[in-house]
Amino acid sequence: QSVLTQPPSASGTPGQRVTISCSGSSSNIGSNYVYWFQQLPGTAPKLLIYRNNQRPSGVPDRFSGSKSGTSASLAISGLRSEDEADYYCAAWDDRLSGVVFGGGTKLTVL
Amino acid sequence: EVQLVESGGGLVQPGGSLRLSCVASGFSFSMYSMNWVRQAPGKGLEWFSYISSSSGTMYYADSVKGRFTISRDNAKNSLYLQMNSLRDEDTAVYYCARSDGTLGNFDLWGRGTLVTVSS
Repeated sequence: QSVLTQPPSASGTPGQRVTISCSGSSSNIGSNYVYWFQQLPGTAPKLLIYRNNQRPSGVPDRFSGSKSGTSASLAISGLRSEDEADYYCAAWDDRLSGVVFGGGTKLTVL
Repeated sequence: EVQLVESGGGLVQPGGSLRLSCVASGFSFSMYSMNWVRQAPGKGLEWFSYISSSSGTMYYADSVKGRFTISRDNAKNSLYLQMNSLRDEDTAVYYCARSDGTLGNFDLWGRGTLVTVSS
């Protein structure tokens, strides 16, 4: 069971906007930055969002992150078939003194 | 090219040992903190170890504490993971990941190396 809670699956049609939630606690999301990673099938994870809402160079602005209290969200607008992947949230946990990940959300583009 | 390349994975018996390496290229390795993250077959990501740029600070998840040791050699642009007392549940793809000192900001990942613990 993961420290951060994500829905196991999400779906949308091309062009739609989807959001993926990530719920934590005061020791992780509530007091530290949230990161989002995208893992395409058969590949290594890739940083998608850092410090709650910042996009690394090369990440399309269709991807956005937000955080409120002990929860965070990843939004993907203008959904495309190539967005079909697993998405993970992560944050440092002060109580565990380690990085904790969500269980991952498998996004399907219908 | 900026990249991380892991090696050293393979099949090992329960209770055995294995040493993983991660070689960095294309960036100033000594300026970055490094991490190990693993992914069991069909499962999610699990961070389990961190080492600061100067090796002055290390963190371990409880799942590996006392069994795994992270180290680095900045002169060789290399990160290492010594794994002892391996268990079935350590079977996973092991990734090395770079961070800029901000814990969790894994901005560069290797392709991973598979470790299988089985008799």
